[in-house]
This record gives sequence, structure tokens and C-alpha cells, in this order.
Amino acid sequence: ETGVTQTPRHLVMGMTNKKSLKCEQHLGHNAMYWYKQSAKKPLELMFVYSLEERVENNSVPSRFSPECPNSSHLFLHLHTLQPEDSALYLCASSQDLDGYEQYFGPGTRLTVT
Amino acid sequence: SQQGEEDPQALSIQEGENATMNCSYKTSINNLQWYRQNSGRGLVHLILIRSNEREKHSGRLRVTLDTSKKSSSLLITASRAADTASYFCATDASYGQNFVFGPGTRLSVLP
Repeated sequence: ETGVTQTPRHLVMGMTNKKSLKCEQHLGHNAMYWYKQSAKKPLELMFVYSLEERVENNSVPSRFSPECPNSSHLFLHLHTLQPEDSALYLCASSQDLDGYEQYFGPGTRLTVT
Repeated sequence: SQQGEEDPQALSIQEGENATMNCSYKTSINNLQWYRQNSGRGLVHLILIRSNEREKHSGRLRVTLDTSKKSSSLLITASRAADTASYFCATDASYGQNFVFGPGTRLSVLP
């Protein structure tokens, strides 16, 4: 148990659906991250938030929309996804940016049909 | 890209043997971290080594960093079946880019 929780753990959605992934950290950290992990590809950083401000968006398609209402919660809103978006989506948090270890949640296994 | 690259991609050893994994990167870094991931789960932080450090130990883990060669190694001594997992290095560039993970080494420890 790392102190970072993600829900749901598994999600199957059609290409026309709208769904949201939720991440919560109980560690008092200031930075939160979304990563995408596809089969046979390196872990891809999607979004970074520091003190609820988005500080990085690595050219992620607009069908992925993050939201950080406070420093403990991070959402990833999904809309009109493609089958190639099927992957493990990992949330992480760290005390601050730059040079701190990241604590990862268990991930949400997303399948787009 | 300053992405770390782990080597080898896959490693299979017998229980009790030592496992060595390497990571190479391209640009100057502030620090380098190693993470472990069991299949389909989140990553777990193992060790952080800063650019001014050459070696760190944690239990059965030993990490070295050679900034002149832009490389790091992770040694797991007296491996156990429970060490079976994927191991990733992540680099934090000097110019403030957030961590970039390598593709990982898949370690299998056979009982």
C-alpha cells in the first residue's frame, strides 16, 4: 500500500462513452502525475500537476482531459477514445517536483472496444 | 530525448544468483531512480541516487552511477523468486524535465 489509490481498477468502455479515472493520495504530497503504460512501450508521462496547477502536458490528445480540484485528488476524464488508448493508466504523487521519489497507485486497466 | 535505456531487456537467473541491470541515458541529470513493477501493478520506488553520488545500498540492492559514462547499474544480490518483476530506471534532467522512464528490464528468478 503506497498511499495512492486509483479507481476503478478495471474499465471497459466503448469509443463513444465518457468515463473518468480517479486518483487520490493520502501522503500530503504537492505534485501528482498521470502516466500511460502500453504493452511493449516505455512508461509515458501524460500530465503533471503541482499545487493543483498543470505544469506539463506532453502532447496528449484532447480526448484525455485532466482535472486536479485539490492537491489530494486527480482525475482523468476520457471521451471518444480509440482502441489504441487501451493501456494501464498509472497515477503517482511526490512531495514536490524535481528530485523526489514518486509513489504510484495500482493503476486502472483500460480497455477501449 | 534523455530517456534512460535499460539493458538487458530481459534477464533470467536461478534463485540465489546475483542480477545486474544497466541503465544508460543521454543528457546531464540531477538524479536517477530505480523502480520495480510487478506484472500489471503500480511501480514501487527502490533507490534514488544523486548526480554527486557514486554508489548507494539498500538491503540486497546496490546502485552505482557513473556520470562520465552516463550510466547506472542495479545489482540485486542473492536473488529470490519474489524479485521477479520489471525494473525501470528514471532520470531527472538537470534542466528540470520531469522523470523519463526507460523501457525496463524484465527479471525472472527461477526457483
